Amino acid sequence: GESVGLHLPTLSVQEGDNSIINCAYSNSASDYFIWYKQESGKGPQFIIDIRSNMDKRQGQRVTVLLNKTVKHLSLQIAATQPGDSAVYFCAENIGTQKLVFGQGTRLTINP
Amino acid sequence: DTGVSQDPRHKITKRGQNVTFRCDPISEHNRLYWYRQTLGQGPEFLTYFQNEAQLEKSRLLSDRFSAERPKGSFSTLEIQRTEQGDSAMYLCASTKLAGGSYNEQFFGPGTRLTVL
Repeated sequence: GESVGLHLPTLSVQEGDNSIINCAYSNSASDYFIWYKQESGKGPQFIIDIRSNMDKRQGQRVTVLLNKTVKHLSLQIAATQPGDSAVYFCAENIGTQKLVFGQGTRLTINP
Repeated sequence: DTGVSQDPRHKITKRGQNVTFRCDPISEHNRLYWYRQTLGQGPEFLTYFQNEAQLEKSRLLSDRFSAERPKGSFSTLEIQRTEQGDSAMYLCASTKLAGGSYNEQFFGPGTRLTVL
């Protein structure tokens, strides 16, 4: 069915360390995968996306990896900063651009 | 601010009352989406418009819910006879369809509904 989930609901890292947030998806027909960041009281904010025919894409301090064999998506954040504290969602785009979101992972940065 | 705006930001109502939310998308964005988000969960798709046409509705959108986008610009989401289970954050997103299979959706800040 159409479902996107996350392995860990919470993640706590030290400031300056790298963070890895994981996501599992189930729909092989998804053509794009997107990571969103949501801060308290705000709407989701786009971070990075990756097309299904790619396995890696890099942005500023972020890298998304896609493993279609095991239907796994990850977001790597380098040198985490206090401003990275938020809930992170992966989402998949299926055809009509209706996004299917996972449950979310709360990232906490410790000073 | 040229982002997606939503009004009101917060709404508290009593069970059985009707409520209406408004979304103003980014100018010239022809697609507009509504999502619902409950605490600790990811947003769930409700419906979307291309210009003024409502093209898809989720089975989550019961007949108490109605959405419109009369002039292809702003949109309203009305909930009639609200129930406590309707309490959630209602998010609006917009995008400009420009070919290809995916275009980034920009989200508004949401309207948080509490039904007492």
